[in-house]
Amino acid sequence: DAKTTQPNSMESNEEEPVHLPCNHSTISGTDYIHWYRQLPSQGPEYVIHGLTSNVNNRMASLAIAEDRKSSTLILHRATLRDAAVYYCIPRETGNQFYFGTGTSLTVIP
Amino acid sequence: EAGVAQSPRYKIIEKRQSVAFWCNPISGHATLYWYQQILGQGPKLLIQFQNNGVVDDSQLPKDRFSAERLKGVDSTLKIQPAKLEDSAVYLCASSLAQGAWETQYFGPGTRLLVL
Repeated sequence: DAKTTQPNSMESNEEEPVHLPCNHSTISGTDYIHWYRQLPSQGPEYVIHGLTSNVNNRMASLAIAEDRKSSTLILHRATLRDAAVYYCIPRETGNQFYFGTGTSLTVIP
Repeated sequence: EAGVAQSPRYKIIEKRQSVAFWCNPISGHATLYWYQQILGQGPKLLIQFQNNGVVDDSQLPKDRFSAERLKGVDSTLKIQPAKLEDSAVYLCASSLAQGAWETQYFGPGTRLLVL
């Protein structure tokens, strides 16, 4: 399983973009990079995932480095509802999700 | 589309008692997961089912934990007897299949306190 390194915590002002980094230098060529977030007292929820190319959806964008050893989750305009713990999870078929401790994002009004 | 349902939402028991949690996955999802989340940590996989067969239970403490998924739909997770260190949130998740690209959908969790 690829191990990840994420900042323990980050802060952002409301309505500003947020870039959440993740290092996964031991990633394998077939690992998909998943991002989930967990709001207080809720189960984790899917944010976005990708393999090699950058990805966009209605929630966020995922920028994957060319060597795939790191990725960045981009929230284009942070809102108070985006305050959560964000998990970066490389996953290969047959392997389980390893959540780690994630990055706790605080959004300042 | 209905999400993953779990019950109960909260449970308080004394150590050495037994407890059971129930999960109903999203309709049509073949893969079901049980996770344990201790306060301040990320979720840790306990067991993964594909239909009604076990795919991975390597981190399930089998001396006290058991799980089943009869008929490949609902699942129950049981702890017998409970220890203080079992206090945690127990999360159920489901996905269409097992591929690395598959999205997991999580239920709200059951918060267990062992006294």
